Amino acid sequence: KAGVTQTPRYLIKTRGQQVTLSCSPISGHRSVSWYQQTPGQGLQFLFEYFSETQRNKGNFPGRFSGRQFSNSRSEMNVSTLELGDSALYLCASSSGTATDTQYFGPGTRLTVL
Amino acid sequence: DQQVKQNSPSLSVQEGRISILNCDYTNSMFDYFLWYKKYPAEGPTFLISISSIKDKNEDGRFTVFLNKSAKHLSLHIVPSQPGDSAVYFCARPTGANNLFFGTGTRLTVIP
Repeated sequence: KAGVTQTPRYLIKTRGQQVTLSCSPISGHRSVSWYQQTPGQGLQFLFEYFSETQRNKGNFPGRFSGRQFSNSRSEMNVSTLELGDSALYLCASSSGTATDTQYFGPGTRLTVL
Repeated sequence: DQQVKQNSPSLSVQEGRISILNCDYTNSMFDYFLWYKKYPAEGPTFLISISSIKDKNEDGRFTVFLNKSAKHLSLHIVPSQPGDSAVYFCARPTGANNLFFGTGTRLTVIP
């Protein structure tokens, strides 16, 4: 079974631009969660989608948004990029219940200049 | 209020010896915890989990212990191998598919 894939793996943007990251979950998984990892804040939950609906949202500004498609693939978008948005963005997929194991992709390293 | 807390940012252990990584947690109605391992530039990899109906769960070289009275869990790796060198995170669900992660402990296994 193929794992979680994320594209692109690396991205460089400048302040004020927007960016879209993509995540393809493990086949059969309907839940996709997004996390941000930074040296200062660690691993923080952004949001989770299940069957095309956002079920949970972390404490991030509205510049961070996402969506999920009918095939469970998910995208996250960050608008008006700030230097502090430089981070490793990780997505994880699971079947959808709280005790299901979340399987992570390799992440997208975003650098904002 | 931090849901899980890892107080040791780093740990060094000789190859073949035991590694013990610790995690404290705050009150919750649902005690279920996970350990993930993370190499640089990769996503976290699930290692082992434990729920409050158990006080121990074992998988090969990895054992997690849960002390509910002390609100403490620990991950034991025996014997430690150089390939175990990574950052280890404890985590707990705070909602449907929403994991709260500790700050991580960097384990270095010295050959």
